Amino acid sequence: KQEVTQIPAALSVPEGENLVLNCSFTDSAIYNLQWFRQDPGKGLTSLLLIQSSQREQTSGRLNASLDKSSGRSTLYIAASQPGDSATYLCAVRTNAGKSTFGDGTTLTVKP
Amino acid sequence: DGGITQSPKYLFRKEGQNVTLSCEQNLNHDAMYWYRQDPGQGLRLIYYSQIVNDFQKGDIAEGYSVSREKKESFPLTVTSAQKNPTAFYLCASTPKGALWKNTEAFFGQGTRLTVV
Repeated sequence: KQEVTQIPAALSVPEGENLVLNCSFTDSAIYNLQWFRQDPGKGLTSLLLIQSSQREQTSGRLNASLDKSSGRSTLYIAASQPGDSATYLCAVRTNAGKSTFGDGTTLTVKP
Repeated sequence: DGGITQSPKYLFRKEGQNVTLSCEQNLNHDAMYWYRQDPGQGLRLIYYSQIVNDFQKGDIAEGYSVSREKKESFPLTVTSAQKNPTAFYLCASTPKGALWKNTEAFFGQGTRLTVV
C-alpha cells in the first residue's frame, strides 16, 4: 500500500527566505506526482505536476523535483512571500483512478 | 470558465439524517472523485467514477453512496451509517482517455459538513 509522508508538518520562515518542502513515498511505481496548495477552508489548487519520466518542473518561483528511485520529491519555493502562506500537499498517482495524499506541510511566511 | 462547483459550501446535518453533497463539472472530464479531509490530514478517497454509470469504492467508502447518471455530475450522499461524518469534503475530476492517469486533477472548493 502506498504511503506518502510530508516533512515537516509545519514550517515558519521570514519573508524572502528560500525553502524546501519534502514529500516521500513508499512505492516507486507511480504515474505522476502533483503538488497542491490549500488555503484554509478552501479546495486544492494545482501547483505543479511531474510525470514519472520527468525529473523536475518549474513554475515561477516554484520548482518541484522527483527522484522515483529514492521515493522522494521536493518543492522549492524561492524568495518566499507572506502570500505563500498555506498548506502544501503532495499526491502520488499509482494506479487508475486513485491518488494517495500526504498530510501536508503548513507554511507560514512572516512579513 | 470551466471548473468544478461544489455546493453548498457549508452544510449542517442532524444525527441520523442522510445528506447529499453536490459536485458539478463543465470540463468534459470523464473521471470524478470524492475525498474527505480531516483537520491536519491529507485527503482520503471515498468513491471514484471513471465513466458515466460506473463507480468504485475508495479507501473509506463505508457510510457513503454515490451515483453517476450524468457525465458532469457526481453527487455524494453521507448516510446515517457514517459514524463520523463531520469533515471537509472535496470533489475532483480528471480528463478522459487512456492517458488520463498522467494528467492533472482539478478540485472544487469543498463542502464543510458538520453534524449537530
